[in-house]
Amino acid sequence: EVVMTQSPATLSVSPGERATFSCRASQNVGGSLAWYQQRPGQAPRLLIYLASTRGTGIPARFSGSGSVTEFTLTISSLQSDDFALYYCQQYHHWPPTFGRGTKVEIK
Amino acid sequence: EVQLVESGGGLVQPGGSLRLSCAASGLTFNTSSMNWVRQAPGKGLEWVSYISPSSRTIYYADSVKGRFTISRDNAKHSLYLQMNSLGAEDTAVYFCARSPTTYYLDFFDMWGQGTMVTVSS
Repeated sequence: EVVMTQSPATLSVSPGERATFSCRASQNVGGSLAWYQQRPGQAPRLLIYLASTRGTGIPARFSGSGSVTEFTLTISSLQSDDFALYYCQQYHHWPPTFGRGTKVEIK
Repeated sequence: EVQLVESGGGLVQPGGSLRLSCAASGLTFNTSSMNWVRQAPGKGLEWVSYISPSSRTIYYADSVKGRFTISRDNAKHSLYLQMNSLGAEDTAVYFCARSPTTYYLDFFDMWGQGTMVTVSS
């Protein structure tokens, strides 16, 4: 199966700053990459699909980029609600697989 | 408002069985592909099983194949997961999640809040 590697594991950022983190696939997944946000005790929420398309109602400060094996999620100006876990997921190869997550914490 | 509400979780002994349910509302359930995704305590997400709108296509992760059975009742807007021969490695929060297309390989655009399954003696 495709292994998704996210880095860094933890990112410390101050509110209002920009946050950028990465997801690398062990095989070519084309543009079939999604990003999710998970706050403590909550279900994951879809942020981005097709590597760069924002989900319904997702603010413009969230942006995704990349293709093939290298992907990036950027949050342009961190708000208090954005301190959470972020997961990437590929859906190009069976089975769909997730990364282990990047935790964005308050600096 | 779209809602997916899981139920049926709890404490079960190793080797035991449990049946999870997911009640859907606010979406066209009978044309939605559905999945179960789980998350072990403190761990990441693991896709478990997929079922197509008609139940004609079903897939399982290797880790649960032969032990878990996914099913649905479109008349009741409900998704199910029958889990047998449970082991400690099955301890997790189980989420039901919708795929936005009928293709079996997809992302997940709607999620329930999850139900906790604990396998322990």
